[in-house]
Order: sequence, then C-alpha cells, then structure tokens
Amino acid sequence: QKEVEQNSGPLSVPEGAIASLNCTYSDRGSQSFFWYRQYSGKSPELIMFIYSNGDKEDGRFTAQLNKASQYVSLLIRDSQPSDSATYLCAVTPGGYGGSQGNLIFGKGTKLSVKP
Amino acid sequence: DAGVTQSPTHLIKTRGQQVTLRCSPKSGHDTVSWYQQALGQGPQFIFQYYEEEERQRGNFPDRFSGHQFPNYSSELNVNALLLGDSALYLCASSSRGLDSYNSPLHFGNGTRLTVT
Repeated sequence: QKEVEQNSGPLSVPEGAIASLNCTYSDRGSQSFFWYRQYSGKSPELIMFIYSNGDKEDGRFTAQLNKASQYVSLLIRDSQPSDSATYLCAVTPGGYGGSQGNLIFGKGTKLSVKP
Repeated sequence: DAGVTQSPTHLIKTRGQQVTLRCSPKSGHDTVSWYQQALGQGPQFIFQYYEEEERQRGNFPDRFSGHQFPNYSSELNVNALLLGDSALYLCASSSRGLDSYNSPLHFGNGTRLTVT
C-alpha cells in the first residue's frame, strides 16, 4: 500500500515566524511531489511542486525534496494569519507523471498562524 | 480563462439512490480525474478519464462509474448510495501533452454530497 504520511497537527506558529511542514512517502519510485493548500470547506489549491532533489523557492514558500530519505517539506517564511489552512502533501505513484492525475495524498497538516 | 467547474455545489440524497456529478475541465486540458475527500482526510483517487476511456482506477467499488465526453467534460455516477459516500467530490483536470508530463492537477471547487 503506497502511503503518504503527514503530522496532522495542528501546528501553531506566531505571525512572522517560519512554519515547517513535513511529509514522508513510501513509494521509492515516486517522481513528482506537490503541496496543496486547502481552506476549510474549499478545494485544494496548488502552492508548489518539485521533482528534483534540493530546494525550490517561490516567494515566501520553499519546497525541499530528499528522495534518498523519501522526505519532502514545505517552509513558509513570514507566516501570515491568511496562511492558516490545511496543507496537503501529494506524490505520484512510481512511473507516473503529475499530469496523469492519480496523486496519492496525505491527510494534511492543519496550520494555525496566530496574530 | 475558465478553470475547472463542477456542478452541483451541494447535493443531498437518500441511501440507495443514485447520483450524477458533472465536471468541465480547464481550457486546454484533456484529462479528468475524480477524487473523494471525506471529512478530515486527504483526497482519494477514484478514477481518471482520457480520450473518453477510464485509464486508471483507485480502490473504489463498481458502484462508482464515470464517463468522459468528446468535449473532455466528465460525469461521476454513484449507484446504491451508502451513508459512507458522504464526502466532498473533487474533479481535477490536467493535460497529457508530451511537454506536460509533470504538470500539476487543477482542482474544481467540488460537490458536497450528503447521504441521509
């Protein structure tokens, strides 16, 4: 059974701090990794995707991938109350690209940013 | 540029009934995937349609079926509804072009199904 594990939280950080969200996956063949943000009652919204080992930065967000450790993380710098949401980690099964639609999601980590 | 659109937004059905949910993909996308998200869980892959055929299927019973039309829009049908089918049903679209192998999914706003 291919799995994606996330700490369900809640993770609480003060406004302006760095929030660190972590995810591990079981399928060593996974190639594509995605972070989605989901506000309560809304659909998932793509934040970042990463395919290669290392860091990828986009504004206040940095995704980090370590395929050897089967670990992917998301850092949110200068956290804002509007960042309060559930963050979903998703990976593709081995042999599939992201466009092929069959992502495996974790249960999500709930982030709360306190003013 | 319209994104992924789903209808209806909310639906209430009784156990044993059948339901049809609809999805129009983002412009330029040809692949539609359906997900079920129960409360407090991550989305679970139901199946995917490309070129009007079911290409991949997750661990869902045959009560869940679908269809894709020539204009790439799609329907999800669920027969013999159970209480446990109550969930947010998400449609996601993508493009299978050679230059988009790793392109991410774009989700619609979902249909909230309640089975009583």
